Amino acid sequence: QKEVEQDPGPLSVPEGAIVSLNCTYSNSAFQYFMWYRQYSRKGPELLMYTYSSGNKEDGRFTAQVDKSSKYISLFIRDSQPSDSATYLCAMRYGGATNKLIFGTGTLLAVQP
Amino acid sequence: KAGVTQTPRYLIKTRGQQVTLSCSPISGHRSVSWYQQTPGQGLQFLFEYFSETQRNKGNFPGRFSGRQFSNSRSEMNVSTLELGDSALYLCASSSEGVREKLFFGSGTQLSVL
Repeated sequence: QKEVEQDPGPLSVPEGAIVSLNCTYSNSAFQYFMWYRQYSRKGPELLMYTYSSGNKEDGRFTAQVDKSSKYISLFIRDSQPSDSATYLCAMRYGGATNKLIFGTGTLLAVQP
Repeated sequence: KAGVTQTPRYLIKTRGQQVTLSCSPISGHRSVSWYQQTPGQGLQFLFEYFSETQRNKGNFPGRFSGRQFSNSRSEMNVSTLELGDSALYLCASSSEGVREKLFFGSGTQLSVL
């Protein structure tokens, strides 16, 4: 069993839709939770970064962490064709390390 | 501020050869991590350097090695290349601190023929 599970999709939605992306994890030692967006042939771009349970909002993006259920989500409101990309969840243990454990990524296509 | 810079952008090698990839972190960042990305395995951690010292290592064979220089620039080396080493190699940098964010470069696409 992988430490971090993510539905690979692909997910196709119409422009303007609300998108929900999810990851589950098995190790309760994870303390930091991230969402990255990756366009084709590019490196991952950090979208959201949280380290506590609850919601964090940034523009059209909301990250949600539920540590009791070991479940994290990313919501995208008013989705745009430019949001079409692969979305990767990532997690990190505490301590002096930047080692990230990634989900497999969800491919999102927003249709105009 | 310039982002993380990786060179070269693309590389084609043959089996048995060795390769060196380079990474220049964001100015002021002292931590550099390397990741391998493949369609089958996704993003996997290779190793991490901080102040020229390897701080953590992933589960890769000894053919994969790295180092960091005093100016925080980093290189990774893969010796005796295998077909399965074909991947996007990504470098990420962060500043000092436990809660700091990781910023990735665009990667080096390595093809092994």
